Amino acid sequence: AQTVTQSQPEMSVQEAETVTLSCTYDTSESNYYLFWYKQPPSRQMILVIRQEAYKQQNATENRFSVNFQKAAKSFSLKISDSQLGDTAMYFCAFMKLNTGGFKTIFGAGTRLFVKA
Amino acid sequence: GAVVSQHPSRVICKSGTSVKIECRSLDFQATTMFWYRQFPKQSLMLMATSNEGSKATYEQGVEKDKFLINHASLTLSTLTVTSAHPEDSSFYICSASSGGGYGYTFGSGTRLTVV
Repeated sequence: AQTVTQSQPEMSVQEAETVTLSCTYDTSESNYYLFWYKQPPSRQMILVIRQEAYKQQNATENRFSVNFQKAAKSFSLKISDSQLGDTAMYFCAFMKLNTGGFKTIFGAGTRLFVKA
Repeated sequence: GAVVSQHPSRVICKSGTSVKIECRSLDFQATTMFWYRQFPKQSLMLMATSNEGSKATYEQGVEKDKFLINHASLTLSTLTVTSAHPEDSSFYICSASSGGGYGYTFGSGTRLTVV
C-alpha cells in the first residue's frame, strides 16, 4: 500500500526567507502524481503545485518549487521569499489511478508559521 | 478555474437527527467526488468515493448506513449523516477532479456539531 510521510509536524520561517518542507512516499507504481496542498486557517484546501512522476523536470509555480527525486521517493516543497499569507498547514499527497478511479493519499501535514 | 461549492459551511444539529451536506461542481462535470473527514490538527481521512449513477465506494471502517452518499448528477454529490451522535462532530470536506491527474478542487468544508 502507498504511504506518504511528512516528518516535520511544525516549521517556522522568517518573512522573506526560504523554507523547505519534506515529503517521502512509498509505492511500487511507476506512474503517479504528486501534489502539495495548502490549508490556511480558513480550512479551504488549495492546490499549490503538482508533479507528474514521468517528468524529470521539477515543477515550479512562482515562489513554490519542488525537488522531485523519484528513485529516492522524495518530493520536497521549497517556498522562496516567504510571506505571512503562506502560514498554513501543508499536505503532501500521492495520487494514482485505481480500479475505481483516481485515489489520493495525504501525508499527516506540516504546519508552517511565517514570522514577521 | 474549477470551483466546488459545499453547503452548509456550519451546521449544529441535535443528537439523533440527520444532516445533509451538498457538494457541487460549478463549472465542470465530476463523475467522481470524494468525501473526507478531518479531525482537529490532523490530515484528511478519505471516507468514500462518490460515483455518479452508481453506489459509493466506502473506505474500510466507515459505516455505510450512517454516512449515506448520493451522486445523482454529474455536478452534485450529497453526504447525509444519519442519526447523528456527538462523536460524528467533525469537519467534512468534499473534493472533485475535473479529470486526469490534475489534482482535486476542494469544497470549503462543513463543520458539523452534534449536541
